[in-house]
Amino acid sequence: DAKTTQPPSMDCAEGRAANLPCNHSTISGNEYVYWYRQIHSQGPQYIIHGLKNNETNEMASLIITEDRKSSTLILPHATLRDTAVYYCIVRPPETSGSRLTFGEGTQLTVNP
Amino acid sequence: SAVISQKPSRDICQRGTSLTIQCQVDSQVTMMFWYRQQPGQSLTLIATANQGSEATYESGFVIDKFPISRPNLTFSTLTVSNMSPEDSSIYLCSVGGGAYGYTFGSGTRLTVV
Repeated sequence: DAKTTQPPSMDCAEGRAANLPCNHSTISGNEYVYWYRQIHSQGPQYIIHGLKNNETNEMASLIITEDRKSSTLILPHATLRDTAVYYCIVRPPETSGSRLTFGEGTQLTVNP
Repeated sequence: SAVISQKPSRDICQRGTSLTIQCQVDSQVTMMFWYRQQPGQSLTLIATANQGSEATYESGFVIDKFPISRPNLTFSTLTVSNMSPEDSSIYLCSVGGGAYGYTFGSGTRLTVV
């Protein structure tokens, strides 16, 4: 799986957009970008994933650059409950034998 | 997506003893994954559990220390054997995936004293 680089921490004001960057310059053509988050003392939670097109769901938006070497997770209106560690993971498509390899992630703190 | 029930949620154990963690899934899954999260660290994969075959362990983890059972397609156990304080961690099971990614249990917070 390709290696990812994320800032160790970020702060965001409540109600503002949180933009979390991820660099994955060694990504392969068949690898997807996945985002998970882990709220303190809970199991990680899937947020979103994409291959090359921008994606949006009820939780977030994912913007992938045209060369696919970096991406940004956007939480459009951050709340205090979005305070968590956010993990960017690059890996091949879901197959029954594959697993997730977690990096260090970004600790996002949403401030009142 | 699948729903996972993981037990116990937490435990405090004496060194030298063993603890078995259970993971129950509400649907049949081929692969189940066990992770460890040491204090202040990210998640590290311990092993992948297939039903009907021996688990596949990652480098640094051995079957004698972390025996895994996978008796059917909805259940798995991880045992932490002969515990020491260094085993104090959160242990999580996970199943994948499809359109909703991987689902994780709520974790077992283990403290070894």
